[in-house]
Amino acid sequence: QVKLLQSGAALVKPGASVKMSCKASGYTFTDYWVSWVKQSHGKSLEWIGEIYPNSGATNFNEKFKGKATLTVDKSTSTAYMELSRLTSEDSAIYYCTRGSVFDYWGQGVMVTVSS
Amino acid sequence: DIQMTQSPASLSASLGETVTIECRASEDIYNGLAWYQQKPGKSPQLLIYNANSLHTGVPSRFSGSGSGTQYSLKINSLQSEDVASYFCQQYYDYPWTFGGGTKLELK
Repeated sequence: QVKLLQSGAALVKPGASVKMSCKASGYTFTDYWVSWVKQSHGKSLEWIGEIYPNSGATNFNEKFKGKATLTVDKSTSTAYMELSRLTSEDSAIYYCTRGSVFDYWGQGVMVTVSS
Repeated sequence: DIQMTQSPASLSASLGETVTIECRASEDIYNGLAWYQQKPGKSPQLLIYNANSLHTGVPSRFSGSGSGTQYSLKINSLQSEDVASYFCQQYYDYPWTFGGGTKLELK
């Protein structure tokens, strides 16, 4: 069965960076886009961007360009997102999902930015 | 960006009732619309895609309809396990965008 297993919660200081992972299983990793979605304080959802593992091609929400970097490791079927220059506005839950219609989701990573 | 306006923001309904949630896009999205359910503390789950196609394993009491800029999610015969937040999402044009969500509670 399809699974997306994300890394654990992170507590980071303002100005620092954080890198989270999303390990895919149960399907051919290189066949589907992987998207990242932000959910702040139990509110609505924002699409950050997506990466196509086969080629490394990416598409981003303009709002998150310069904030998020997306990469993949095809050998381990793992997608990564790094967020830089963190502020309190980046405190949120971050999900990885499969496809453009998000048919499978990871369990989410809670990122807390605090000194 | 395509704006997705969802209504109502919250909804209280009784068991067995039929519930409808609306989603309006700021421009035609040609049925590129999905609906998700999110229970407290859990990840969102896909219910409907292409505006009216039921995702695998989703109960048939859920249905989607609409076209152009206006779409809706209907839940027939509300069950206690349907208490959740619901979100629409357009995937017609980048950036993919979501509605603000509807919180469904039991009356």
